[in-house]
Amino acid sequence: KNQVEQSPQSLIILEGKNCTLQCNYTVSPFSNLRWYKQDTGRGPVSLTIMTFSENTKSNGRYTATLDADTKQSSLHITASQLSDSASYICVVSVLYGNKLVFGAGTILRVKS
Amino acid sequence: GAVVSQHPSWVICKSGTSVKIECRSLDFQATTMFWYRQFPKQSLMLMATSNEGSKATYEQGVEKDKFLINHASLTLSTLTVTSAHPEDSSFYICSAITLQTGMEQYFGPGTRLTVT
Repeated sequence: KNQVEQSPQSLIILEGKNCTLQCNYTVSPFSNLRWYKQDTGRGPVSLTIMTFSENTKSNGRYTATLDADTKQSSLHITASQLSDSASYICVVSVLYGNKLVFGAGTILRVKS
Repeated sequence: GAVVSQHPSWVICKSGTSVKIECRSLDFQATTMFWYRQFPKQSLMLMATSNEGSKATYEQGVEKDKFLINHASLTLSTLTVTSAHPEDSSFYICSAITLQTGMEQYFGPGTRLTVT
């Protein structure tokens, strides 16, 4: 069964600190892995997309890693800001058919 | 970048009535659009996939007669919730892809539906 699991479920950090969110998946056949940021009451916004051959990809203060052998990914946020407070969703795309498998998300709260 | 809009952003309707939600790709032609539903503190659940000019493909457990999808053009898809019930209250999100966007699936801002 195709599944994406994220941890932790929620996280509270102080402004300026770094944090790392985890994602494990069992999706086959694998096409790519995406990280999205979803603000409350808004649609998801893409942060990174990584294919099988990519180990790391950055987008500003966001850096995603992918280990296709262990089927794990992480999203590292550097120097967090209050505006980083959101739900971060790990999504794995199934090869063929444009089907996406969503994780439940990690709710991040950055406080001052 | 590719922009997807939804209208309305929120709607309140009475039980038994129908409500239509529009999803538009503003600056590209979407070959495929997707409709998702998201309950509080849960992730997105795919409801159906629609291609322009053809019938939508519904996920298992989604009633096609209740959730009517019309993909009339390459820039517009509509979701009509018929005979709405309070349990249909949810956040509905559409997304769109096109050959030009490759792997990228662009999401709309969502529509909050509350059925009273």
